[in-house]
Amino acid sequence: QQQVKQSPQSLIVQKGGISIINCAYENTAFDYFPWYQQFPGKGPALLIAIRPDVSEKKEGRFTISFNKSAKQFSLHIMDSQPGDSATYFCAASGKREYGNKLVFGAGTILRVKS
Amino acid sequence: DADVTQTPRNRITKTGKRIMLECSQTKGHDRMYWYRQDPGLGLRLIYYSFDVKDINKGEISDGYSVSRQAQAKFSLSLESAIPNQTALYFCATSDSSGLGGYNEQFFGPGTRLTVL
Repeated sequence: QQQVKQSPQSLIVQKGGISIINCAYENTAFDYFPWYQQFPGKGPALLIAIRPDVSEKKEGRFTISFNKSAKQFSLHIMDSQPGDSATYFCAASGKREYGNKLVFGAGTILRVKS
Repeated sequence: DADVTQTPRNRITKTGKRIMLECSQTKGHDRMYWYRQDPGLGLRLIYYSFDVKDINKGEISDGYSVSRQAQAKFSLSLESAIPNQTALYFCATSDSSGLGGYNEQFFGPGTRLTVL
């Protein structure tokens, strides 16, 4: 049973378009939500993260939107570029139940067409 | 220079063989993790260690064991490899200090293991 459900599994976007990846969770003990980016042949690397006390966090072209009541969060990539082509993982953690360990979604393979 | 290194990078072995994957880090972090990555399943935690004397099972520890030889070294063993352990394995590290205890995990480059 996946504690963090991620969709879509794969995504193709035109250069300059907006890429949107969605994640949902059930456990209200989660209170930290990072996104990791993985290029082929590499390990994942932290892209951006959010705490539930804010509804949005933006870093450059990357934005996390967080909806606490719906228990959903999403990654938006504005002006998508071919260099953004990678696998993206959402994750969640909770200090009390998870001791700060991360639970990952299944991943989304993003391809940006030039 | 890589801060988190994994050896070997690729390994092909046969069913029943004992395999050890090694991880070393120069980041000075106290926490280390082993994950496996499978298509469509994401990253799943196998074992984690919050310091040298602290070893804990993760989500999928059956068939695996670990050893934390030093703060900088954390190895993963498959005592008797089976084909469904074919996967990409990642080591990660993090620092326990910091605001709220949530700190970035830094991943190694991965080991691709194939069990025939």
